[in-house]
Amino acid sequence: NAGVTQTPKFRVLKTGQSMTLLCAQDMNHEYMYWYRQDPGMGLRLIHYSVGEGTTAKGEVPDGYNVSRLKKQNFLLGLESAAPSQTSVYFCASSSGVGRGETQYFGPGTRLLVL
Amino acid sequence: AQRVTQPEKLLSVFKGAPVELKCNYSYSGSPELFWYVQYSRQRLQLLLRHISRESIKGFTADLNKGETSFHLKKPFAQEEDSAMYYCALNANAGKSTFGDGTTLTVKP
Repeated sequence: NAGVTQTPKFRVLKTGQSMTLLCAQDMNHEYMYWYRQDPGMGLRLIHYSVGEGTTAKGEVPDGYNVSRLKKQNFLLGLESAAPSQTSVYFCASSSGVGRGETQYFGPGTRLLVL
Repeated sequence: AQRVTQPEKLLSVFKGAPVELKCNYSYSGSPELFWYVQYSRQRLQLLLRHISRESIKGFTADLNKGETSFHLKKPFAQEEDSAMYYCALNANAGKSTFGDGTTLTVKP
């Protein structure tokens, strides 16, 4: 099993450009998450999904959109990139929210917006 | 609202010394708490969770509801323990809250 994979690993964008980050998991997990990691600010939840076809806002959703058309995939979109969106983006998945449910993380995508 | 506080951004100890990474939480319900670790150039991975009451790589963490803490401890730090450590709280369905992280450096 590959676990959680993310595409691309690294990307440079110009302000105003758009892009989509792809997260895929092969563990048949119901829940998927997108986080951003910034120095000194830990991990902040952008959006999450509790099942195919569902999405919900996290702590910092502005400027991002997501879609969960297939259970195994969770896409994060930036419609008009801004320098403030320069960050490392992590995707994660979990089987549910029972007690002690672990999140499994992808390797991360480094995004630089110029 | 839930909140996780890791008061130390950086922590440095010598090899063989005890180490304690602090985590305090704020949550009105019954929390599920975790420690995740991120080694250099690797993805975040679970270290341990309070519900399992386990010891992983010599680390332990005890949930203290009275002090709302979940500190991570190891009696004898090793150089390979150098990493970023995140404390996390699972509360509302689908939403996890992470602390800001503590970077641990174990010096030889």
